[in-house]
Amino acid sequence: EAGVAQSPRYKIIEKRQSVAFWCNPISGHATLYWYQQILGQGPKLLIQFQNNGVVDDSQLPKDRFSAERLKGVDSTLKIQPAKLEDSAVYLCASSYLPFNEQFFGPGTRLTVL
Amino acid sequence: QKEVEQDPGPLSVPEGAIVSLNCTYSNSAFQYFMWYRQYSRKGPELLMYTYSSGNKEDGRFTAQVDKSSKYISLFIRDSQPSDSATYLCAMSANGNKLVFGAGTILRVKS
Repeated sequence: EAGVAQSPRYKIIEKRQSVAFWCNPISGHATLYWYQQILGQGPKLLIQFQNNGVVDDSQLPKDRFSAERLKGVDSTLKIQPAKLEDSAVYLCASSYLPFNEQFFGPGTRLTVL
Repeated sequence: QKEVEQDPGPLSVPEGAIVSLNCTYSNSAFQYFMWYRQYSRKGPELLMYTYSSGNKEDGRFTAQVDKSSKYISLFIRDSQPSDSATYLCAMSANGNKLVFGAGTILRVKS
């Protein structure tokens, strides 16, 4: 079974630029999560999708972050404009149902200069 | 105060040692307790899952939950160099939204 795929693996941008991350969950998984993991901290949930609907985006900085999951499969997370404090690893995870085990992708490491 | 506190380490032990990793929490609503292992430049992977209080054993790993003290532990017996990783505790009130600790870096020396 293929795991959660993410791209790119690494991205370096200047502050105030925009960036987008892509996630392809495990086939058949209806629930998709985006986490932000700052160096030395645990992952923090940014947004949770159930199929193509948003379940929880309470910790998403909506003035600069946006996410979508069209057709209930792949998802993209966008930051515009980026700030220095957005430097982190962005992890995508998926689960069959909301209360099932979450499987994580390898993450995208973002550096904002 | 953070909802979940975890000593970041690093914790360095010789091969074969018993390792004890711990987390404390403040939210009494947490019912689901998990331990994840994260290798460098990889995503976390689930190691242990416990509901409510008690112990759970899986091979060399034992998870303990003490809800009265708001304290959870992960024990690793006969530690191996391949166990070197960051160990994250995670908790949830409803089994869905996870709150993670900061992670403890473990180094097992051969």
